[in-house]
Amino acid sequence: DAKTTQPTSMDCAEGRAANLPCNHSTISGNEYVYWYRQIHSQGPQYIIHGLKNNETNEMASLIITEDRKSSTLILPHATLRDTAVYYCIVRPPGNTPLVFGKGTRLSVIA
Amino acid sequence: AAGVIQSPRHLIKEKRETATLKCYPIPRHDTVYWYQQGPGQDPQFLISFYEKMQSDKGSIPDRFSAQQFSDYHSELNMSSLELGDSALYFCASSRTGSARDEQFFGPGTRLTVL
Repeated sequence: DAKTTQPTSMDCAEGRAANLPCNHSTISGNEYVYWYRQIHSQGPQYIIHGLKNNETNEMASLIITEDRKSSTLILPHATLRDTAVYYCIVRPPGNTPLVFGKGTRLSVIA
Repeated sequence: AAGVIQSPRHLIKEKRETATLKCYPIPRHDTVYWYQQGPGQDPQFLISFYEKMQSDKGSIPDRFSAQQFSDYHSELNMSSLELGDSALYFCASSRTGSARDEQFFGPGTRLTVL
Protein backbone atom coordinates (compact mmCIF):
# COMPACT_ATOMS: atom_id res chain seq x y z
CA ASP A 1 0.00 0.00 0.00
CA ALA A 2 1.06 3.57 -0.69
CA LYS A 3 2.57 5.36 2.28
CA THR A 4 1.53 8.82 1.14
CA THR A 5 -1.58 10.98 1.27
CA GLN A 6 -2.29 13.70 -1.26
CA PRO A 7 -5.24 15.95 -2.13
CA THR A 8 -7.40 14.44 -4.85
CA SER A 9 -7.34 17.52 -7.05
CA MET A 10 -6.08 21.09 -7.27
CA ASP A 11 -6.46 24.02 -9.65
CA CYS A 12 -3.80 26.56 -10.49
CA ALA A 13 -3.85 29.67 -12.67
CA GLU A 14 -1.41 29.67 -15.54
CA GLY A 15 1.78 31.51 -14.64
CA ARG A 16 1.26 31.12 -10.93
CA ALA A 17 3.10 28.77 -8.61
CA ALA A 18 1.52 25.39 -7.99
CA ASN A 19 2.13 23.98 -4.51
CA LEU A 20 1.29 20.29 -4.15
CA PRO A 21 1.38 18.89 -0.61
CA CYS A 22 2.07 15.31 0.44
CA ASN A 23 1.90 13.60 3.82
CA HIS A 24 4.20 10.68 4.51
CA SER A 25 4.15 10.42 8.29
CA THR A 26 5.41 6.81 8.37
CA ILE A 27 8.47 7.41 6.20
CA SER A 28 11.53 5.42 7.25
CA GLY A 29 14.96 6.89 7.78
CA ASN A 30 16.44 5.56 4.56
CA GLU A 31 13.45 6.32 2.33
CA TYR A 32 13.51 9.07 -0.24
CA VAL A 33 10.59 11.23 -1.33
CA TYR A 34 10.03 11.02 -5.09
CA TRP A 35 7.65 12.94 -7.29
CA TYR A 36 6.44 11.67 -10.65
CA ARG A 37 3.71 12.98 -12.89
CA GLN A 38 1.52 11.37 -15.53
CA ILE A 39 0.14 13.40 -18.37
CA HIS A 40 -3.02 11.80 -19.72
CA SER A 41 -2.24 8.09 -20.24
CA GLN A 42 1.42 8.71 -21.04
CA GLY A 43 4.10 6.91 -19.05
CA PRO A 44 4.84 8.52 -15.67
CA GLN A 45 7.70 11.01 -15.71
CA TYR A 46 10.27 11.68 -12.98
CA ILE A 47 10.22 15.20 -11.57
CA ILE A 48 12.43 15.40 -8.50
CA HIS A 49 13.42 13.56 -5.35
CA GLY A 50 15.00 14.24 -1.98
CA LEU A 51 15.96 12.71 1.35
CA LYS A 52 15.87 15.54 3.89
CA ASN A 53 17.26 18.65 2.25
CA ASN A 54 15.26 20.87 -0.02
CA GLU A 55 15.96 20.25 -3.70
CA THR A 56 15.57 22.26 -6.88
CA ASN A 57 15.99 21.35 -10.52
CA GLU A 58 14.88 22.73 -13.85
CA MET A 59 11.36 21.44 -13.40
CA ALA A 60 10.46 22.04 -9.76
CA SER A 61 11.43 22.52 -6.15
CA LEU A 62 10.89 20.07 -3.33
CA ILE A 63 10.47 21.27 0.24
CA ILE A 64 10.71 18.56 2.93
CA THR A 65 9.78 19.36 6.51
CA GLU A 66 12.42 18.90 9.17
CA ASP A 67 10.63 15.88 10.65
CA ARG A 68 10.29 14.46 7.10
CA LYS A 69 6.63 13.69 7.65
CA SER A 70 5.45 15.89 4.81
CA SER A 71 6.69 17.63 1.71
CA THR A 72 5.57 20.11 -0.93
CA LEU A 73 6.29 20.06 -4.64
CA ILE A 74 6.47 23.53 -6.13
CA LEU A 75 6.07 24.26 -9.83
CA PRO A 76 7.17 27.90 -9.89
CA HIS A 77 5.35 29.06 -13.03
CA ALA A 78 2.68 26.57 -14.01
CA THR A 79 1.77 26.23 -17.68
CA LEU A 80 -1.11 24.44 -19.37
CA ARG A 81 1.30 21.58 -20.18
CA ASP A 82 1.74 20.97 -16.45
CA THR A 83 -1.82 19.65 -16.22
CA ALA A 84 -1.32 16.08 -15.01
CA VAL A 85 -1.67 13.68 -12.10
CA TYR A 86 1.18 14.20 -9.65
CA TYR A 87 2.35 11.29 -7.51
CA CYS A 88 4.33 11.56 -4.29
CA ILE A 89 6.14 8.27 -3.59
CA VAL A 90 8.41 7.19 -0.77
CA ARG A 91 10.91 4.45 -1.52
CA PRO A 92 14.25 3.14 -0.33
CA PRO A 93 17.34 3.76 -2.46
CA GLY A 94 18.26 1.45 -5.30
CA ASN A 95 16.26 -0.27 -8.01
CA THR A 96 13.08 -0.58 -5.97
CA PRO A 97 9.56 -0.53 -7.39
CA LEU A 98 7.42 2.59 -7.37
CA VAL A 99 4.28 2.25 -5.24
CA PHE A 100 1.77 4.70 -6.66
CA GLY A 101 -0.95 6.13 -4.43
CA LYS A 102 -3.94 8.14 -5.57
CA GLY A 103 -2.00 11.22 -6.64
CA THR A 104 -3.20 14.79 -7.11
CA ARG A 105 -4.87 15.81 -10.35
CA LEU A 106 -3.54 19.30 -11.09
CA SER A 107 -5.48 21.39 -13.56
CA VAL A 108 -3.73 24.52 -14.83
CA ILE A 109 -6.28 27.05 -15.98
CA ALA A 110 -5.68 29.80 -18.53
CA ALA B 1 17.99 10.34 -26.61
CA ALA B 2 16.85 6.74 -26.78
CA GLY B 3 13.77 5.91 -24.77
CA VAL B 4 12.05 2.78 -23.59
CA ILE B 5 10.32 1.00 -26.46
CA GLN B 6 7.20 -1.08 -26.01
CA SER B 7 5.43 -3.19 -28.55
CA PRO B 8 2.78 -3.50 -29.62
CA ARG B 9 1.26 -0.16 -28.71
CA HIS B 10 -2.26 -1.51 -28.97
CA LEU B 11 -3.53 -5.07 -28.69
CA ILE B 12 -7.00 -6.52 -28.84
CA LYS B 13 -7.63 -10.05 -27.61
CA GLU B 14 -10.57 -12.29 -26.82
CA LYS B 15 -11.23 -13.80 -23.40
CA ARG B 16 -9.12 -16.86 -22.66
CA GLU B 17 -6.56 -15.95 -25.31
CA THR B 18 -2.89 -15.27 -24.61
CA ALA B 19 -0.87 -12.10 -25.15
CA THR B 20 2.80 -11.20 -25.14
CA LEU B 21 3.99 -7.68 -24.49
CA LYS B 22 7.56 -6.65 -25.23
CA CYS B 23 9.80 -4.03 -23.67
CA TYR B 24 13.16 -2.76 -24.87
CA PRO B 25 14.93 -0.76 -22.15
CA ILE B 26 17.18 2.21 -22.64
CA PRO B 27 20.69 1.05 -23.63
CA ARG B 28 22.89 0.21 -20.63
CA HIS B 29 19.90 0.02 -18.29
CA ASP B 30 20.02 -3.22 -16.34
CA THR B 31 16.65 -3.21 -14.57
CA VAL B 32 13.19 -3.52 -16.08
CA TYR B 33 9.85 -3.01 -14.32
CA TRP B 34 6.30 -3.80 -15.40
CA TYR B 35 3.27 -1.80 -14.24
CA GLN B 36 -0.44 -2.23 -14.93
CA GLN B 37 -2.88 0.69 -15.01
CA GLY B 38 -6.56 -0.15 -15.24
CA PRO B 39 -9.14 2.37 -16.50
CA GLY B 40 -9.34 5.27 -14.05
CA GLN B 41 -6.81 3.59 -11.77
CA ASP B 42 -3.28 4.40 -10.70
CA PRO B 43 -0.30 2.40 -11.95
CA GLN B 44 0.30 -0.80 -10.01
CA PHE B 45 3.64 -2.60 -9.89
CA LEU B 46 3.66 -6.14 -11.27
CA ILE B 47 7.23 -7.43 -11.41
CA SER B 48 10.83 -6.38 -12.01
CA PHE B 49 14.07 -7.89 -13.24
CA TYR B 50 17.69 -7.03 -12.58
CA GLU B 51 20.39 -8.58 -14.74
CA LYS B 52 17.90 -11.15 -16.06
CA MET B 53 16.86 -12.31 -12.59
CA GLN B 54 13.53 -11.50 -10.97
CA SER B 55 14.19 -8.87 -8.33
CA ASP B 56 10.81 -7.80 -6.95
CA LYS B 57 7.29 -9.14 -7.32
CA GLY B 58 4.12 -7.16 -6.90
CA SER B 59 0.51 -7.97 -7.60
CA ILE B 60 1.13 -10.04 -10.71
CA PRO B 61 -1.54 -12.72 -11.28
CA ASP B 62 -0.42 -16.33 -11.55
CA ARG B 63 -1.70 -16.31 -15.15
CA PHE B 64 1.05 -13.82 -16.00
CA SER B 65 4.74 -14.53 -16.31
CA ALA B 66 7.67 -12.45 -17.39
CA GLN B 67 11.35 -12.74 -18.12
CA GLN B 68 14.33 -10.66 -19.10
CA PHE B 69 16.56 -11.87 -21.90
CA SER B 70 20.31 -11.70 -22.47
CA ASP B 71 19.93 -8.49 -24.49
CA TYR B 72 17.99 -7.02 -21.51
CA HIS B 73 14.69 -6.80 -23.30
CA SER B 74 11.75 -8.17 -21.34
CA GLU B 75 8.49 -9.90 -22.21
CA LEU B 76 5.28 -10.10 -20.21
CA ASN B 77 3.27 -13.20 -21.07
CA MET B 78 -0.40 -13.21 -20.20
CA SER B 79 -2.57 -16.30 -20.48
CA SER B 80 -6.27 -17.06 -20.02
CA LEU B 81 -7.06 -13.40 -20.50
CA GLU B 82 -9.98 -11.95 -18.58
CA LEU B 83 -12.00 -8.80 -19.19
CA GLY B 84 -10.37 -7.28 -16.10
CA ASP B 85 -6.95 -7.53 -17.74
CA SER B 86 -7.89 -4.67 -20.04
CA ALA B 87 -5.44 -1.96 -19.06
CA LEU B 88 -2.41 0.08 -19.98
CA TYR B 89 0.78 -1.86 -19.38
CA PHE B 90 3.88 0.23 -18.80
CA CYS B 91 7.44 -0.92 -18.86
CA ALA B 92 10.13 1.14 -17.17
CA SER B 93 13.90 0.79 -17.01
CA SER B 94 16.66 2.08 -14.79
CA ARG B 95 20.41 1.81 -14.40
CA THR B 96 21.97 0.58 -11.17
CA GLY B 97 24.09 3.22 -9.49
CA SER B 98 22.53 6.20 -11.23
CA ALA B 99 22.39 9.31 -9.07
CA ARG B 100 18.62 9.61 -9.12
CA ASP B 101 17.52 5.93 -9.20
CA GLU B 102 15.12 7.25 -11.80
CA GLN B 103 12.79 4.96 -13.70
CA PHE B 104 12.16 5.85 -17.33
CA PHE B 105 8.77 4.77 -18.59
CA GLY B 106 7.79 3.64 -22.03
CA PRO B 107 4.64 4.81 -23.84
CA GLY B 108 2.70 1.76 -22.73
CA THR B 109 0.76 -1.02 -24.42
CA ARG B 110 -3.00 -0.68 -24.34
CA LEU B 111 -4.55 -4.13 -24.03
CA THR B 112 -8.24 -4.57 -24.66
CA VAL B 113 -9.84 -7.91 -23.84
CA LEU B 114 -13.22 -8.51 -25.46
